[in-house]
Amino acid sequence: EVQLVESGGGLVQPGGSLRLSCAASGFTFSSYAMSWVRQAPGKGLEWVSAISGSGGSTYYADSVKGRFTISRDNSKNTLYLQMNSLRAEDTAVYYCAKEAWSNPGGYMDVWGKGTTVTVSS
Amino acid sequence: VIWMTQSPSLLSASTGDRVTISCRMSQGISSYLAWYQQKPGKAPELLIYAASTLQSGVPSRFSGSGSGTDFTLTISCLQSEDFATYYCQQYYSFPRTFGQGTKVEIK
Repeated sequence: EVQLVESGGGLVQPGGSLRLSCAASGFTFSSYAMSWVRQAPGKGLEWVSAISGSGGSTYYADSVKGRFTISRDNSKNTLYLQMNSLRAEDTAVYYCAKEAWSNPGGYMDVWGKGTTVTVSS
Repeated sequence: VIWMTQSPSLLSASTGDRVTISCRMSQGISSYLAWYQQKPGKAPELLIYAASTLQSGVPSRFSGSGSGTDFTLTISCLQSEDFATYYCQQYYSFPRTFGQGTKVEIK
């Protein structure tokens, strides 16, 4: 069974940092691009970042560019999102999602349950 | 950035109704459009990709159509489990963008 399990969320002060992880299982992790998508409380979905299967290509939303870094460890079947200089507007549920292709640019066919990030003093 | 206008934002319907949700793009995206369903407190689930291809396991009462700038999601006979929020998403170019969502509620 294809499964994605996020972890690492929590409460952090403005300006702080957090690293999210997403453990993947049930598919050949290195063969697929991965994305992070977030959802602020009561709001819609916002794509955050994507990475190719090899890890060689990365993409970011303007709202997080320069503050967030996406990476992956294919030997551990794990996706990461390093979040620095966090702001109140980064408060959201963060979902890890598997993409349909090896290169970023496809649709997201499997989603994790999400991990909650709260940025507040 | 490709902007998306999804309508309506709220749709009140009854079980058995046929419902349609629209998604309009600010520029053409060929057929690079997906539809997702999200229930409260749950992660989104893929329903349709490539504008009209049903994801494996998704009931045939769901269908998608359109290309270029105008797209539609249709539920032919609404079931109780279909009351949820639906999002369109373009994957033609970065940044990926989602529609604002359509909440389908019980009338």
